[in-house]
Amino acid sequence: NAGVTQTPKFQVLKTGQSMTLQCAQDMNHNSMYWYRQDPGMGLRLIYYSASEGTTDKGEVPNGYNVSRLNKREFSLRLESAAPSQTSVYFCASSDSGGYTGELFFGEGSRLTVL
Amino acid sequence: ILNVEQSPQSLHVQEGDSTNFTCSFPSSNFYALHWYRWETAKSPEALFVMTLNGDEKKKGRISATLNTKEGYSYLYIKGSQPEDSATYLCAYERGTGANNLFFGTGTRLTVIP
Repeated sequence: NAGVTQTPKFQVLKTGQSMTLQCAQDMNHNSMYWYRQDPGMGLRLIYYSASEGTTDKGEVPNGYNVSRLNKREFSLRLESAAPSQTSVYFCASSDSGGYTGELFFGEGSRLTVL
Repeated sequence: ILNVEQSPQSLHVQEGDSTNFTCSFPSSNFYALHWYRWETAKSPEALFVMTLNGDEKKKGRISATLNTKEGYSYLYIKGSQPEDSATYLCAYERGTGANNLFFGTGTRLTVIP
């Protein structure tokens, strides 16, 4: 079972470069999320998509854009990377049924911005 | 900023010991409390989602209790095994919608063989 798949797993960027993190889920879930994990902090929500065709900002959206390409795929784009965006990024999905519900996570993407 | 606090931050126990740790959250506007287990280099995996005061959930040697009136949840591991070594995350949900889910920083458990 693939579950939630994220690519790439590791990436090093220079300040100002752009990149896209890809996420796909095969569980037919309606909702998808992007979180970031920083040392000493809990997972923080960047953007989420409650259903296909909708996206909303989370707690820390600045510097990011997202696309819900279809029900399976939800991508996160950094247009002009900054050192403050060095983090581990997690994609997650849920069959929300009107509330967040149990989240299913990918394995994470470690991004370093120099 | 909404505080979800987990304690201790880390602990080491001997194989076979039982252990427990705490998640504290605001007692108002409670909707649900999640526990996740996160092994290094793997995905966090859900253990429990609890919604009712007094809830007790169990999965194998791991169990959890919930007190929404005082704003805490305990996670217990009975007879710890090396494979239980992981970070245990809790998340407090104060209402519907993804913006209402707040994660603690986790308790890192190391079980020494």
